[in-house]
Amino acid sequence: GNSVTQMEGPVTLSEEAFLTINCTYTATGYPSLFWYVQYPGEGLQLLLKATKADDKGSNKGFEATYRKETTSFHLEKGSVQVSDSAVYFCALRMNRDDKIIFGKGTRLHILP
Amino acid sequence: NAGVTQTPKFQVLKTGQSMTLQCAQDMNHEYMSWYRQDPGMGLRLIHYSVGAGITDQGEVPNGYNVSRSTTEDFPLRLLSAAPSQTSVYFCASSWGMNTEAFFGQGTRLTVV
Repeated sequence: GNSVTQMEGPVTLSEEAFLTINCTYTATGYPSLFWYVQYPGEGLQLLLKATKADDKGSNKGFEATYRKETTSFHLEKGSVQVSDSAVYFCALRMNRDDKIIFGKGTRLHILP
Repeated sequence: NAGVTQTPKFQVLKTGQSMTLQCAQDMNHEYMSWYRQDPGMGLRLIHYSVGAGITDQGEVPNGYNVSRSTTEDFPLRLLSAAPSQTSVYFCASSWGMNTEAFFGQGTRLTVV
């Protein structure tokens, strides 16, 4: 079946460090891919998305590129801030499916 | 625009009690779904709906009921609460397939 695997957390970085959170997927077909962010005590918010191979999604300094050849959608940011501390979820949705499949989430701590 | 509204935000139930978690969206989305979030488990789909009058089971439907009599509302009913249903519950809605979901703020439920 379709699934998403993302790196285990927590990930702890110092402010201004480079961030990578790995995400790989398994899917029969060509899904749309998403990164969601969850700040403490809140619901999930869409961070960025990509709907086809080689698309790059970007928002708030975060980027992720849809790599069909490696079935990956790694999240990157060049210089993290304390305010980026949150839980990040990678997710996929098939073109003919009603369900969104989430990874287990990666908790990110940024130290000042 | 209120987006997706969930009530209540917090609830404590005794084992065996029943209750309904409310979810309403004002974006005219066809797709609505309920997830539960547990530590280390990510988000798991409970039930979902592709339109008024249509519902289907997700990954973990046991102990929960849903109905969709209008486009706007998608309540989740716990029939007889059990401690294993202690969790944070999120309602989400989306335009349709291949699109991102919008999430409510969540309901933190404790069953004692």
